[in-house]
Amino acid sequence: QVRLVESGGGLVKPGGSLTLSCTASGFTFSDYYMSWLRQAPGKGLESVSYISDGTRYTNYAESVRGRFSISRDDAKKSLFLQMNSLTADDTAVYFCAKQDASGSYYVNWGQGTLVIVSS
Amino acid sequence: VLTQTPLSLSVTPGQPASISCKSSQSLQHSDGKTYLYWYLQKPGQPPHLLIYEVSSRFSGVPDRFSGSGSGTDFTLKISRVEAEDAGVYSCMQSRKLPWTFGQGTKVEIK
Repeated sequence: QVRLVESGGGLVKPGGSLTLSCTASGFTFSDYYMSWLRQAPGKGLESVSYISDGTRYTNYAESVRGRFSISRDDAKKSLFLQMNSLTADDTAVYFCAKQDASGSYYVNWGQGTLVIVSS
Repeated sequence: VLTQTPLSLSVTPGQPASISCKSSQSLQHSDGKTYLYWYLQKPGQPPHLLIYEVSSRFSGVPDRFSGSGSGTDFTLKISRVEAEDAGVYSCMQSRKLPWTFGQGTKVEIK
């Protein structure tokens, strides 16, 4: 079955950087659009970024554009999110998600990794 | 913008429940599909898909869950609530980037 496991979260100071990873199994990773979403404490879900199969396309939420960078390594079945210039507003649980074959919705999610930005 | 009402709901097991999701723009695409989805997030878990394209139940979702609506107004209904249905229900649109979610509706079982 599909399994997505995030890692790399933790405590980071404002202005700092962090890289999140997501390791996938149970499906042909290279065939699917993959995404990062986040959920701030007590808040709703926010789509952060996505990357197409073959890395042809990427997209970012306005709130992270220019600071975050998404990438993938299909050989390692891994998805990454490089996060720079972090602020307290970036504090959240970050989820890795697989999109459906048509790229219309999130069909599988990881358990999430917590990022806390605090001095 | 997706606006859900109510933001919280307390339901007795066996009773029905209904959640509204209103979009500021039509979610119907020229391809004929309407890109509106419903997710349930149980405590300590990631969201999982209940309904896709307004009214189609995802694999394994019980038939007590149903979705309806068109254009800008949508509804998720639970015909007879069970204890395992507790959690936060969120609608999501993928008609336009960025994909956005409603604020979420917290359903509590009495």
